[in-house]
Amino acid sequence: DAGVIQSPRHEVTEMGQEVTLRCKPISGHNSLFWYRQTMMRGLELLIYFNNNVPIDDSGMPEDRFSAKMPNASFSTLKIQPSEPRDSAVYFCASSSYWAEAFFGQGTRLTVV
Amino acid sequence: SQQGEEDPQALSIQEGENATMNCSYKTSINNLQWYRQNSGRGLVHLILIRSNEREKHSGRLRVTLDTSKKSSSLLITASRAADTASYFCATEGGAQKLVFGQGTRLTINP
Repeated sequence: DAGVIQSPRHEVTEMGQEVTLRCKPISGHNSLFWYRQTMMRGLELLIYFNNNVPIDDSGMPEDRFSAKMPNASFSTLKIQPSEPRDSAVYFCASSSYWAEAFFGQGTRLTVV
Repeated sequence: SQQGEEDPQALSIQEGENATMNCSYKTSINNLQWYRQNSGRGLVHLILIRSNEREKHSGRLRVTLDTSKKSSSLLITASRAADTASYFCATEGGAQKLVFGQGTRLTINP
């Protein structure tokens, strides 16, 4: 397996634009996590899914953020409209039934 | 919200010395995990210890867990320059929810 695949690796966008981050988890994993990492706030759990169902989205900053997992092999995190304070590295991770999580390489988002 | 808190926030030691990092958490857990992150990269899993375990080893890594004190420690023995990275603890407290602490930045000086 190629591991967790995230795209794009880098994204620069203007304030107010819609941003969509994509993630392909490891085949067979049943949990998928979206994290955001900044120097100030560290690694924050935004939302996670079990078996494609959102379980806890309490970490999603506000209504501008939304996440979907239409099937077991794909998830998206969307920010609309984007703001400069959304600039961060966004990580997707997947795991299988209480085992370790495997992380993607992250998407570095810059909103100008 | 963060569950675990690592201590110290930063640690700088000489190559060959041992490095100890601590993690405290607030609520009951099923397991606790340690991860490593090199600058600009994704996190890599190091070791997982379950709530009914007290100690676990993997190569030069030793992890302890004290559920009565809600704390864990990660010991890296005979450190190497390549161990320079940030180290995070993560707690799994139910339904596979994995929450990370703020991390410890470890620098190994040659």
